[in-house]
Amino acid sequence: QVQLVQSGAELKRPGASVKVSCKAAGYTFINYGINWVRQAPGQGLEWMGWISAYNGNTKYSQNLQGRVTMTTDTSTSTAQMELRSLGSDDTAIYYCARDATYDMSGHFDYWGQGTLVTVSS
Amino acid sequence: DIQMTQSPSSLSASVGDRVTITCRASQSVTNYLNWYQQKPGKAPKLLIYAASSLQSGVPSRFSGSGSGTDFTLTINSLQPEDFATYYCQQSYNTPRTFGPGTKVDIK
Repeated sequence: QVQLVQSGAELKRPGASVKVSCKAAGYTFINYGINWVRQAPGQGLEWMGWISAYNGNTKYSQNLQGRVTMTTDTSTSTAQMELRSLGSDDTAIYYCARDATYDMSGHFDYWGQGTLVTVSS
Repeated sequence: DIQMTQSPSSLSASVGDRVTITCRASQSVTNYLNWYQQKPGKAPKLLIYAASSLQSGVPSRFSGSGSGTDFTLTINSLQPEDFATYYCQQSYNTPRTFGPGTKVDIK
């Protein structure tokens, strides 16, 4: 069955960077894209961006442009999201979610379990 | 950016009730509208995609309708496991945007 398994919780200082990984299983990795979505404590869902696992094309939220980089490693079926220059408002649960199509025209049909990133001095 | 709004923001209902949640987009998203359910401490789960298509494995008591800017999620005969927060999301363009959520709790 389709599974997205994310890396563990992180505690970071303000100004630091964080990398969150998302390992896919149960499907052909390059046939779909991966979205990243975050959720601040008690808040709603915020889309961060998308990456094609087929060719590495990306689309980022303008709110995060310049601070976020999304990559994939097709040899391990893993997607990774790096967020730099962290501030306290980056404290959130970060989710990866499979895009139902390869070309970013779909819904998010499978989600990882989430990774809590806490930014605190 | 396309702004998504939902109403109500919360509601109380009883098991067996019919529940309706509305989602409105600030501009037409045609039928690129999806619904997710999120329970506390869990990842969101896709319920409905393309406004009215039921995701595989989702009970048939969930249904979606609408097009353009106005959409509805209906839960027929609410079950105990349906108490959760529901989000709409547009996949018409980027940035993908979500509604603020509707929390359904027990009356």
